[in-house]
Amino acid sequence: DTEVTQTPKHLVMGMTNKKSLKCEQHMGHRAMYWYKQKAKKPPELMFVYSYEKLSINESVPSRFSPECPNSSLLNLHLHALQPEDSALYLCASSQDRLPVNTEAFFGQGTRLTVV
Amino acid sequence: AQKVTQAQTEISVVEKEDVTLDCVYETRDTTYYLFWYKQPPSGELVFLIRRNSFDEQNEISGRYSWNFQKSTSSFNFTITASQVVDSAVYFCALSEAKGSQAGTALIFGKGTTLSVSS
Repeated sequence: DTEVTQTPKHLVMGMTNKKSLKCEQHMGHRAMYWYKQKAKKPPELMFVYSYEKLSINESVPSRFSPECPNSSLLNLHLHALQPEDSALYLCASSQDRLPVNTEAFFGQGTRLTVV
Repeated sequence: AQKVTQAQTEISVVEKEDVTLDCVYETRDTTYYLFWYKQPPSGELVFLIRRNSFDEQNEISGRYSWNFQKSTSSFNFTITASQVVDSAVYFCALSEAKGSQAGTALIFGKGTTLSVSS
């Protein structure tokens, strides 16, 4: 099983809403990642969790708040987003935190639209 | 400066043609890892291959093959006898052990959009 599951697949939210994106993996991976991808652009790293602890925050605005409740789950809490935050949000996991000789597996992403 | 350069923004081919996607990387590390991912319209990034810097052996997997050349810092990807299902965006990525962006996980190129028509 090399699956990373993200829910929901699509999300439309207003600028005053609070919502959460969820990511789950059962591969026993100890590193999990959030990426943001705008149309026709490569994914951009947002956060890295290693052994359930936040190890990298790529200067992401505080309206994005990550949470790792356990080694299989990764959440991204959203609050007071702006229309420019509309994007595909990808979750990934790897056996250990990159860079190591392992690959990252990605979920299908959540397409977020902020209105 | 870009760490990973995919100079081809878009490529269009007809089914059964061979196509090569170029990737040039830049790193000062002696230990690093290179990847190719495929992103179909559904959005998921599908892992295709990982190569570490000490393994220059080329690899073939079915219709896919990869040519890793450290001398030219290139890691090119060839699809033989392309099919419509190969249509996707292909990303080359780099992960460095100690470079200036160490710990930033994957450094992606800008991607190459491949369109295969029947």
